[in-house]
Amino acid sequence: SQQGEEDPQALSIQEGENATMNCSYKTSINNLQWYRQNSGRGLVHLILIRSNEREKHSGRLRVTLDTSKKSSSLLITASRAADTASYFCATDAMDSSYKLIFGSGTRLLVRP
Amino acid sequence: GAGVSQSPRYKVAKRGQDVALRCDPISGHVSLFWYQQALGQGPEFLTYFQNEAQLDKSGLPSDRFFAERPEGSVSTLKIQRTQQEDSAVYLCASSLARIRQNEQFFGPGTRLTVL
Repeated sequence: SQQGEEDPQALSIQEGENATMNCSYKTSINNLQWYRQNSGRGLVHLILIRSNEREKHSGRLRVTLDTSKKSSSLLITASRAADTASYFCATDAMDSSYKLIFGSGTRLLVRP
Repeated sequence: GAGVSQSPRYKVAKRGQDVALRCDPISGHVSLFWYQQALGQGPEFLTYFQNEAQLDKSGLPSDRFFAERPEGSVSTLKIQRTQQEDSAVYLCASSLARIRQNEQFFGPGTRLTVL
């Protein structure tokens, strides 16, 4: 079974716009990660945020984490066509920190 | 350096056949993971190795699934008597961390189709 739900399931935006994806999870965590998956390719790690952090930036990516609401958001600013992919949040469980539990993903389409 | 590699990239099997999927992790990575990803879903954990020891196999769907990593490097996921519901992408990942969860590096996956 999957830990999280992602919202929206699909998102279509124009190049240059910002894209926001949300993730909710169920159990206490040590950290939360976001991954990107292009069609036919493996998952690529984007960013990790620890449970004691509230916000983190990496290039055009901004991640927030609200442990009281058990939710996270990923913001991609100034989107590009190459950002078209599926985005997954993944959490670990405090009692089995090696195991990643993925959400169902958001499919992002950036139109040129 | 090279990333995680998996072979074959695509496998078509007739129902009832046995299949073996190979994973070559990043050299020196202690931890190795197998995940199953159904179409349109996120990956789901199958099993975890630390070196050659299989520490968690709680995600394996049935006793038809078997994984090994005999020398603590290359791993093989074997599925016996394949069923149509086994059709999925099987992802392998490796990580440098011994204990605490760390960034996992994923291979491209093997897409298994069972007819």
